Amino acid sequence: NAGVMQNPRHLVRRRGQEARLRCSPMKGHSHVYWYRQLPEEGLKFMVYLQKENIIDESGMPKERFSAEFPKEGPSILRIQQVVRGDSAAYFCASSPRNDAYTDTQYFGPGTRLTVL
Amino acid sequence: GNSVTQMEGPVTLSEEAFLTINCTYTATGYPSLFWYVQYPGEGLQLLLKATKADDKGSNKGFEATYRKETTSFHLEKGSVQVSDSAVYFCALKRGGGNKLTFGTGTQLKVEL
Repeated sequence: NAGVMQNPRHLVRRRGQEARLRCSPMKGHSHVYWYRQLPEEGLKFMVYLQKENIIDESGMPKERFSAEFPKEGPSILRIQQVVRGDSAAYFCASSPRNDAYTDTQYFGPGTRLTVL
Repeated sequence: GNSVTQMEGPVTLSEEAFLTINCTYTATGYPSLFWYVQYPGEGLQLLLKATKADDKGSNKGFEATYRKETTSFHLEKGSVQVSDSAVYFCALKRGGGNKLTFGTGTQLKVEL
C-alpha cells in the first residue's frame, strides 16, 4: 500500500508567482489535512478536506491560499502571488476517517517551497 | 485552546544512553496523544500513540504513558542508537476534532 504522495518535493518560485502543491492520499483514505512547517517551528494545521468538501479551514491565511480535494485526482494547495514568508515545508496527511479513537494521520514527505 | 509544550533541544546523547523527552499538554476534553519522528529531509512518521489515560504507547524501543493527572506524555527509550538521531514531535488531537496540535519539536543527536 503506497503511502501519502506529494509532489513536487521541492518547488522554487519568484515573488508574485503561483505555487500549486499536490497530495495523493493513501489508498482508501478519504480525509486530507494540510500543515505548514516554518523554519525551526512545529507543524501548524491549515485545512481539513474530504472529497469535494472543505471541512475546516481555520488555519488557512485569509488571502492568497486555497485548497481543494476534487472527486477525482489529488488534493491541491494553491498559493497565489507568493511572498518570501510563504517559504516553508508543506505537509499533507491522510486518514481513513475522522475517528478520535481509531484514526491516525499518515504524513507525506512534504513539499519544500522556496520563494526567491 | 489546545497546546503542547516540549523540552527544547538539541538533546545530545551518547549511544546506549537513556532518553527522556518531556511533553506536557493543555486541552479540553480527552485528547489522543502522539509522538511523531522526522528524519532529516523527510516527512513525519508516527512513532507511537495513546488514546486514553494510563495507556502506554510503544514502538521500536520507545514508549510513552498518557498521564492525565500530570497532563504529560513523556517519550523514553532505554538505549538510544545513532540511527535515532532525528526531530521528535509531540502532538495531540482533541476527541472529536480533526487537527493535530504539535509541539515545536525536540532535536535528538546521538553520538558514538
